[in-house]
Amino acid sequence: TQLLEQSPQFLSIQEGENLTVYCNSSSVFSSLQWYRQEPGEGPVLLVTVVTGGEVKKLKRLTFQFGDARKDSSLHITAAQPGDTGLYLCAAAGGYQKVTFGTGTKLQVIP
Amino acid sequence: GAVVSQHPSWVICKSGTSVKIECRSLDFQATTMFWYRQFPKQSLMLMATSNEGSKATYEQGVEKDKFLINHASLTLSTLTVTSAHPEDSSFYICSARAGTSGQETQYFGPGTRLLVL
Repeated sequence: TQLLEQSPQFLSIQEGENLTVYCNSSSVFSSLQWYRQEPGEGPVLLVTVVTGGEVKKLKRLTFQFGDARKDSSLHITAAQPGDTGLYLCAAAGGYQKVTFGTGTKLQVIP
Repeated sequence: GAVVSQHPSWVICKSGTSVKIECRSLDFQATTMFWYRQFPKQSLMLMATSNEGSKATYEQGVEKDKFLINHASLTLSTLTVTSAHPEDSSFYICSARAGTSGQETQYFGPGTRLLVL
């Protein structure tokens, strides 16, 4: 079973600060996804990265896929209270089952 | 975009009763749906893969007689928690796979919160 470890587990920052969330594994993935989940709701897909070394930007969010396709990072610039939520990395395994990372709970304080 | 709904959004039941949760793909057909459960402050754990017209595939440690899955049509999968107990209280989320082979994406439902008293 592939294991996706995220760090940090919890993060509480002031509005306007920058932050980076990491997703690491010993396995190589063909692609990796990032989701954001708000309390009481299902996860919402933010991005899919496919190519080793790939960098994708989504407004203030920057996603990077490691060269070896074993790890990924999510960087948020000038965090806003609306960024508060649970951030999950995920990878597709056999039979297209999605395995989720351990999660990073982000709180942005106004 | 593809929309997945779940019903009910929350349910409270007495210990020993059975609860059925529905997962529907509203604007696309899904031969495969997935069921997850999520405990507070934790990530999603895959319970089973629901295949239309065939038996579900359960993850290790998930009791198939406890969590009955029926995927009777291309737009509906149901999860029945039988003889529910307080430890079954959790947030249950389904997802449905859409898109062509190699270009597939999973879309998640809004979740169903189950509280067993």
